[in-house]
Amino acid sequence: IAGITQAPTSQILAAGRRMTLRCTQDMRHNAMYWYRQDLGLGLRLIHYSNTAGTTGKGEVPDGYSVSRANTDDFPLTLASAVPSQTSVYFCASSDSTSGSYNEQFFGPGTRLTVL
Amino acid sequence: GQNIDQPTEMTATEGAIVQINCTYQTSGFNGLFWYQQHAGEAPTFLSYNVLDGLEEKGRFSSFLSRSKGYSYLLLKELQMKDSASYLCAALDSNYQLIWGAGTKLIIKP
Repeated sequence: IAGITQAPTSQILAAGRRMTLRCTQDMRHNAMYWYRQDLGLGLRLIHYSNTAGTTGKGEVPDGYSVSRANTDDFPLTLASAVPSQTSVYFCASSDSTSGSYNEQFFGPGTRLTVL
Repeated sequence: GQNIDQPTEMTATEGAIVQINCTYQTSGFNGLFWYQQHAGEAPTFLSYNVLDGLEEKGRFSSFLSRSKGYSYLLLKELQMKDSASYLCAALDSNYQLIWGAGTKLIIKP
């Protein structure tokens, strides 16, 4: 693995189903993030984690949950998917120990369609 | 509230120069980022400014004025591969990135 990987690449999901998007990084970054990107809107932060064992809510957390059991993995779960959660989801990580310079590295994204 | 404004779309000619502007309003400020995103791909880092002035990196330069809440990305000697969206993002007082909607840059031969 080099960088950040996400799985699946794309998914079509029936409304009401539960879904977990996976994200793994091998850069030993302490901070990780989940964003959604919708046409005409900027990236919107769903949840973040500054270090393993801690998580926080971003701008649009409703309907999503995350966990950070270790440094490398940061899964995002949709407990009961709704059509408004149709989007492209990006996972990102950064080495926030470098101070204010907080360059984020992004995974390739997961394209999710909820019908 | 927090807000990032940048033009939705711009068109330029191969070999020319283009300037993409960004204005920001955030709760505190810890720097301004520019990212490039090709269609269907992930954003990739281009530049970071925290002090006023111009940062040059090859064909790309980024400028920041903290007093005006303003930044621009300057692309020189445009190439067809520069066709992409350019995302402006400001780091707020909580060190969270606030993102603009992106500027789609179309390069014509």
